[in-house]
Amino acid sequence: DIVMTQSPDSLPVSLGERATINCKSSQSALDRSNNKNNLSWYQQKPGQPPKLLIYWASTRESGVPDRFSGSGSGTDFTLTISSLQAEDVAVYYCQQYYGSRITFGPGTKVDLK
Amino acid sequence: EVQLVQSEGGLVHPGGSLRLSCIASGFTLRSYNMDWVRQAPGKGLEWVSYITRNSAGIFYADSVRGRFTISRDNVKNTLYLQMNSLRDDDTAVYYCARDSENGYAIDSWGQGTLVTVSS
Repeated sequence: DIVMTQSPDSLPVSLGERATINCKSSQSALDRSNNKNNLSWYQQKPGQPPKLLIYWASTRESGVPDRFSGSGSGTDFTLTISSLQAEDVAVYYCQQYYGSRITFGPGTKVDLK
Repeated sequence: EVQLVQSEGGLVHPGGSLRLSCIASGFTLRSYNMDWVRQAPGKGLEWVSYITRNSAGIFYADSVRGRFTISRDNVKNTLYLQMNSLRDDDTAVYYCARDSENGYAIDSWGQGTLVTVSS
């Protein structure tokens, strides 16, 4: 089974500062049939379902602010919030799709410093 | 507007059963693969099960295989999760979820249903 790790577990960030979250997979997320990485990022606020932010490692979902960006390939990925806003306080999860199964990372909690 | 509206959960004794449902609106359910994902209190997200558009492909997490059954009725626009032999560690908020058209992400989620397994 695929194992996904995220770092850090918790990330205090000042308003307007950059937040960087790392995600590592035990198996490559690269789909060689289309040369895309099947790695997604979600944001979850308390009491709410998750919200899709990024898919294919770097494609922003419609309506997601451009301060959110994703990068990486293979087994190592990064979610960056370029200038943290108060509404960005949440837990962020990476997720990989493989063989019709899904694995989530353990989550990174972003809050205000 | 895409909506996934889930049924109520509740308190179930260990060994008991419960069926969750999820009614889709704002889109054609038969055009999408679907999942169930759960989240234990204070914990992260755990994928539970997946079903293809026509129910030909069904997969389960090891933790629920043999106890849970996913199904769908595309005419009724409804996704189901039958949960049997429930255990304490099945206590969680259960989300129904729609896979994106490219199949690699979940682009819509239900509101979540709390299932509590306790004696």
